Amino acid sequence: EPEVTQTPSHQVTQMGQEVILRCVPISNHLYFYWYRQILGQKVEFLVSFYNNEISEKSEIFDDQFSVERPDGSNFTLKIRSTKLEDSAMYFCASSEAPVSSYEQYFGPGTRLTVT
Amino acid sequence: AQSVTQLGSHVSVSEGALVLLRCNYSSSVPPYLFWYVQYPNQGLQLLLKYTSAATLVKGINGFEAEFKKSETSFHLTKPSAHMSDAAEYFCAVNNNYGQNFVFGPGTRLSVLP
Repeated sequence: EPEVTQTPSHQVTQMGQEVILRCVPISNHLYFYWYRQILGQKVEFLVSFYNNEISEKSEIFDDQFSVERPDGSNFTLKIRSTKLEDSAMYFCASSEAPVSSYEQYFGPGTRLTVT
Repeated sequence: AQSVTQLGSHVSVSEGALVLLRCNYSSSVPPYLFWYVQYPNQGLQLLLKYTSAATLVKGINGFEAEFKKSETSFHLTKPSAHMSDAAEYFCAVNNNYGQNFVFGPGTRLSVLP
């Protein structure tokens, strides 16, 4: 069964450093998302992406964040200068269509630890 | 604006007992509702979804949920808990105007032998 994959599974970085989290969505999906989950808190939407453009973004997704689809398979989230409060689990998701009734398929997540 | 509440951050049941995980939503338009499960160190897996067809929705692993508009609820149930059901369960809502999900805070289910 096709699945969303994410690398790395765990990333440790120092405050102020740049990190890139990578995702490979399901191959025939066209809509891509990033969510984050701070430890012990709920899953929060960051950004959605379609046709090489951001479709929606939340208040969390400020200028420190960017997304890119550098090739036909990868979808990346970059945090330009990490802060302690960026420590969280980051989930990538993809869906066939943006229609709200379509489920989103989630990857296993990347745990980001900022020290 | 949409929101989701899940009553009970932690629910414990005995193996073989009924599982009931509560979800209430707030949405200005008819919602689409989803239940996801997260096993330790894994991503979110879809259990079931309501998309305005039947109000009683059956999902994987014996779970089902009933959409009750009058109560703005979408509670998740399973008649008989199994040890393998121990996980975190998230209710999520979406509507026709947004692509992203709004998740509830989650309920951790423990199953006792």
